[in-house]
Amino acid sequence: DIQMTQSPSSLSASVGDRVTITCRASQGISNYLAWFQQKPGKAPKSLIYAASSLQSGVPSKFSGSGSGTDFTLTISSLQPEDFATYYCQHYSSYPYTFGQGTKVEIK
Amino acid sequence: EVRLVESGGGLVQPGGSLRLSCAASGFTFSSYAMSWVRQAPGKGLEWVSVLTGGGGSTHYADSVKGRFTISRDNSKNTLYLQLNILRAEDTAVYYCGKGLASGDYNAMDVWGQGTTVTVSS
Repeated sequence: DIQMTQSPSSLSASVGDRVTITCRASQGISNYLAWFQQKPGKAPKSLIYAASSLQSGVPSKFSGSGSGTDFTLTISSLQPEDFATYYCQHYSSYPYTFGQGTKVEIK
Repeated sequence: EVRLVESGGGLVQPGGSLRLSCAASGFTFSSYAMSWVRQAPGKGLEWVSVLTGGGGSTHYADSVKGRFTISRDNSKNTLYLQLNILRAEDTAVYYCGKGLASGDYNAMDVWGQGTTVTVSS
């Protein structure tokens, strides 16, 4: 099975900061990588698919990049509504697996 | 509007069974792969199972293989997950998700609100 490792596990940032979260796959997954946002007590929300394509309705402050084994999610200017936990997931082979999550907290 | 509504969760004893449902609306259900993802209390997301649009391909996480069965009724726009031989570690919120296309290897784009399964004596 492919393991997905996110870093950092948590971070503290201020409104307006640029934030980058990294996701590493244990083997190459091409661009079969998605990112999700989850707020406490809520269902996850899809942000990005195919490593860099924004889901419909997702603001352009979110961007994704990478291919192969190393990927990043960037939030260009953090806003209060962006404080949440973010997960990456590969879907290049079965079983699909998620990273452990990165919690973005207010500094 | 694309909408997914899960139901069927509840409290069940270890070794018991439960069937979860996910009612879909706002899109051509039969044209999309559908998945189940779960989240144990205080934990991260865990992919559980996927079923392609035509229903010809099913896949499961090792942790549920042989105990859970995914299925769909395209005439009712409904996805199911049959949970058998339940264990305490199956306690979680179960989410259904819509794929971006019909076949294998698709990301999810829309999620339901989740249904809670609690396995306890």
